[in-house]
Amino acid sequence: GAGVSQSPSNKVTEKGKDVELRCDPISGHTALYWYRQSLGQGLEFLIYFQGNSAPDKSGLPSDRFSAERTGGSVSTLTIQRTQQEDSAVYLCASNLRGFGEQFFGPGTRLTVL
Amino acid sequence: GESVGLHLPTLSVQEGDNSIINCAYSNSASDYFIWYKQESGKGPQFIIDIRSNMDKRQGQRVTVLLNKTVKHLSLQIAATQPGDSAVYFCAENSGGSEKLVFGKGTKLTVNP
Repeated sequence: GAGVSQSPSNKVTEKGKDVELRCDPISGHTALYWYRQSLGQGLEFLIYFQGNSAPDKSGLPSDRFSAERTGGSVSTLTIQRTQQEDSAVYLCASNLRGFGEQFFGPGTRLTVL
Repeated sequence: GESVGLHLPTLSVQEGDNSIINCAYSNSASDYFIWYKQESGKGPQFIIDIRSNMDKRQGQRVTVLLNKTVKHLSLQIAATQPGDSAVYFCAENSGGSEKLVFGKGTKLTVNP
């Protein structure tokens, strides 16, 4: 079956530009997570969606970061006015019920020049 | 506060040897732990998990040990193979929280 997919796989942008990263979770998974992984580091939680509940945005590093999830499925992470320190791999994960194993996508590697 | 860390950032072993990757956690309320493997350029993949009511759980060639007294978690890989070379992360999920807290990871290199 299809796993979590993310697009694009790589994104190079210039400082100050806005970027949108897309995540397609596993069908039927109600929970969706976004993480950021800087080079050689662990995973930094960004935001969590569960069903129709208000998202947990506690991990978003600044107001330049936002995310939405349409129809309980696809999610888009938007970074406005990108900075060089935003360069990282952005990972999306999903699971059932919001507990236990999370299934990860391959990530989007963002490079801000 | 919550934190999950690892004792060693890198581990190098010979093919066929057993590997042990360690993880310390600080949140005594953590009740679920999980190990992920991340190969270069890929997202993390589930290896094995364990709940706090268990001390040990075995999978195929992998064993996870949990010592709640000292808040320590380990992953043992038997007969390590070159394909096991990757970064290994432990993560915790405390009761009532839907978020996983990840450690920084240990890079395992298997030498042929």
